[in-house]
Amino acid sequence: DGGITQSPKYLFRKEGQNVTLSCEQNLNHDAMYWYRQDPGQGLRLIYYSQIVNDFQKGDIAEGYSVSREKKESFPLTVTSAQKNPTAFYLCASRNPGTTGELFFGEGSRLTVL
Amino acid sequence: KQEVTQIPAALSVPEGENLVLNCSFTDSAIYNLQWFRQDPGKGLTSLLLIQSSQREQTSGRLNASLDKSSGRSTLYIAASQPGDSATYLCAPGREETSGSRLTFGEGTQLTVNP
Repeated sequence: DGGITQSPKYLFRKEGQNVTLSCEQNLNHDAMYWYRQDPGQGLRLIYYSQIVNDFQKGDIAEGYSVSREKKESFPLTVTSAQKNPTAFYLCASRNPGTTGELFFGEGSRLTVL
Repeated sequence: KQEVTQIPAALSVPEGENLVLNCSFTDSAIYNLQWFRQDPGKGLTSLLLIQSSQREQTSGRLNASLDKSSGRSTLYIAASQPGDSATYLCAPGREETSGSRLTFGEGTQLTVNP
């Protein structure tokens, strides 16, 4: 089945540790996105990538890093510089060449102890 | 910067009611607008996508309208069911020099009571 796979679904880490969230898509989409969602709030854009080997900062990029070495993959690293990393992280992809519809993965919940 | 407001923030209705969720956005230079549904602890599911040249889209009991010039969209749900209980989010999309991006509202939390 075509879709977006995020892993792990749940992740617990100690303060000061870097963690990497995986996002893989087999939809052949060019654009990929990372959003953060806090309780009772909408989604805020962290990073996005329109094409392989290129990415742009979103509204809340500080303390995060990404890479886009393959079309299918867009991993997000939450670094120790992120002051409040506990949140629900959502990955999405889109093919600008068609309707432009955005599709989401099931999310990863990160809890920093 | 695009800002998106959704009203009401929460809504509780008895089963069978027709209801309207509202979305307003500040920058009308959008290429499309999507409505999503989110169940607790889950990702977002796309419900309807309206291109900027369209006025409305329909899927089953859902109808979404778009008035781009006034910066408004509505999601109409007919004959609501308990299974419709979820948070509904709207997201207008814009093309920027660095690429395309959607901006999300905070959502309307809908509860449909049996």
